[in-house]
This record gives sequence, C-alpha cells and structure tokens, in this order.
Amino acid sequence: AQSVTQLDSHVSVSEGTPVLLRCNYSSSYSPSLFWYVQHPNKGLQLLLKYTSAATLVKGINGFEAEFKKSETSFHLTKPSAHMSDAAEYFCVVSLDSSYKLIFGSGTRLLVRP
Amino acid sequence: NAGVTQTPKFQVLKTGQSMTLQCAQDMNHEYMSWYRQDPGMGLRLIHYSVGAGITDQGEVPNGYNVSRSTTEDFPLRLLSAAPSQTSVYFCASSSTGQGLGGYTFGSGTRLTVV
Repeated sequence: AQSVTQLDSHVSVSEGTPVLLRCNYSSSYSPSLFWYVQHPNKGLQLLLKYTSAATLVKGINGFEAEFKKSETSFHLTKPSAHMSDAAEYFCVVSLDSSYKLIFGSGTRLLVRP
Repeated sequence: NAGVTQTPKFQVLKTGQSMTLQCAQDMNHEYMSWYRQDPGMGLRLIHYSVGAGITDQGEVPNGYNVSRSTTEDFPLRLLSAAPSQTSVYFCASSSTGQGLGGYTFGSGTRLTVV
C-alpha cells in the first residue's frame, strides 16, 4: 500500500538560509510524487511533480526536489528562504498511478526575519 | 477566471441538518474529487469521479454522497451532519492534459457542525 511520511511537522529557518523539508514514501509501484503548498486560508498549489523522468525536479518559486529510489525519499529544498515561503507543505503520492492522491500530514514552514 | 469554484466558503450547521457543498470547474476536466482537511492529518479523499455519471468512494466516504450529472459540477452532500464532519473541504479537478497529479484545487469550504 502507498503511504507518505513527512518527517517534520514544523520547520523554522531564517530568511536567506536554505530550506529542507523531508518526505519518505512507501509504494509498491513506481510512484508519482508531488509537493503542494498551502498558504494560510488558501487552497493548495502544485509546486512540482516527479513522474519517472529526471530524478531532480525543479518547481516554481525556486523549489526543487530529488527522487531517491534507494532511500525512498523525495525531499524538498530551496537555497534561500523568503518570507513569502511561510506556509504548509504537503508531500503527496499518486495511488496506483491513478488520479487518487495520498497526502502526508504536512510540514509547516516558518521563516524568521 | 478559469479554475475550481467552491461555495459556500463558510457554513455552520446544526447536528442532523443536511446540506450540499457545491463545486464547479470550467476547464473541461474529467477527474474531480473531494477531500477533507483536518489538523495534523493532511487531506483525505472522500469521493471522486472520473467522468460524468461515474463516481466512487475514497478513504473516508461515510456520511457523504456525491453525483456527477455534468462534467462541470460535482456536489458533495452531507446527509445528516455530525460534529465529526467539522472540517475544511476541498474540491479538486484534473485532466489527462495536466499529467498525473496536476490538480487544480478550489479555495475550500470551512464547515462547522455544532
């Protein structure tokens, strides 16, 4: 069965420092993996997706993620945090390569001035 | 603007009342789904539809009904509201043109059942 574990419920960084949000997945199939961002009282926006092409995936707003099959990980990174990055981030796996999505529990990113 | 529109944005219900959460998309997407978001639990799939006239259950379907009579609309019905259904509800749509997981989400409906 597919599942997603986000290893940190909260991450706090200073503006201008790197961001690392960790995600591990479990899947019986070659997975499709995604990162979504949710700003306060807003809907969800797709940051990036991995669908078995290049293992390093670049997304919007300077974010990227690397798919590591040997580690079953799909960590999200950004070289330099901006105040506007403060939000909740969800790692998501596609269920059985269908349209159904399984969400992680989320990581809340706090950016300190 | 093209996208997914959810109404209402906020709703308070009394236990036992029924209501329908509306969802409409104007992108001609085949796939639509409903999720609920609870603190610390991410989003959980309630029901989904792969096209007009076709619906199926997700992870947490109990207490909810759906129908898909048109491509554009996918309403979610609460039959007899319970406090456990207090949550934020999101509707999402996707098409094969966006690729797997290329969902567009609505802005959500915050429901409180008292």
